[in-house]
Amino acid sequence: GQNIDQPTEMTATEGAIVQINCTYQTSGFNGLFWYQQHAGEAPTFLSYNVLDGLEEKGRFSSFLSRSKGYSYLLLKELQMKDSASYLCAVRGSNYKLTFGKGTLLTVNP
Amino acid sequence: KAGVTQTPRYLIKTRGQQVTLSCSPISGHRSVSWYQQTPGQGLQFLFEYFSETQRNKGNFPGRFSGRQFSNSRSEMNVSTLELGDSALYLCASSLGLSLGSADTQYFGPGTRLTVL
Repeated sequence: GQNIDQPTEMTATEGAIVQINCTYQTSGFNGLFWYQQHAGEAPTFLSYNVLDGLEEKGRFSSFLSRSKGYSYLLLKELQMKDSASYLCAVRGSNYKLTFGKGTLLTVNP
Repeated sequence: KAGVTQTPRYLIKTRGQQVTLSCSPISGHRSVSWYQQTPGQGLQFLFEYFSETQRNKGNFPGRFSGRQFSNSRSEMNVSTLELGDSALYLCASSLGLSLGSADTQYFGPGTRLTVL
């Protein structure tokens, strides 16, 4: 089976850096995705990792360690609009994506 | 390119009724996945269709079913609705590439179903 854990809530200050962790246990591994979901909206794709290491995309970076079953999403220079839920999802040995319950990030001024 | 569209956006039904939701994927995408999202459980996978065949299925009762047409559009049906079926139903489309590729799912806006 699949099990994905991430913190339920986090709070940070505008302009700061925040790291959202995700740990997973899956039967097979074919990539890890991060999505952002604003309240009342659909999830939007942020990043994809399938090999170990860091992927950087502007203010957002995502890291993966397959041996540790661990990933994190790093958000730099936080803005108020970054307040949202961040979802970690893993594709296992088939094509389906299993999502964590999401981390609700609140950015305060 | 137009995004994933879902109809209707909002639906109110009563217990025991049935409902059909529709999803039109991004042009060229052959895979459509359906999810149920509730505050307590998060995003839960219902099923995935690829080239008109169900390729994966989640752990939902048989009241939940789906199909995909030759143009990749997909429908989801829930029969004998229960109060607990109230949720946001999201569909996502992707190209349907091989495992290990960056085959990203793009989500539609969802259908908000309320069962009274």
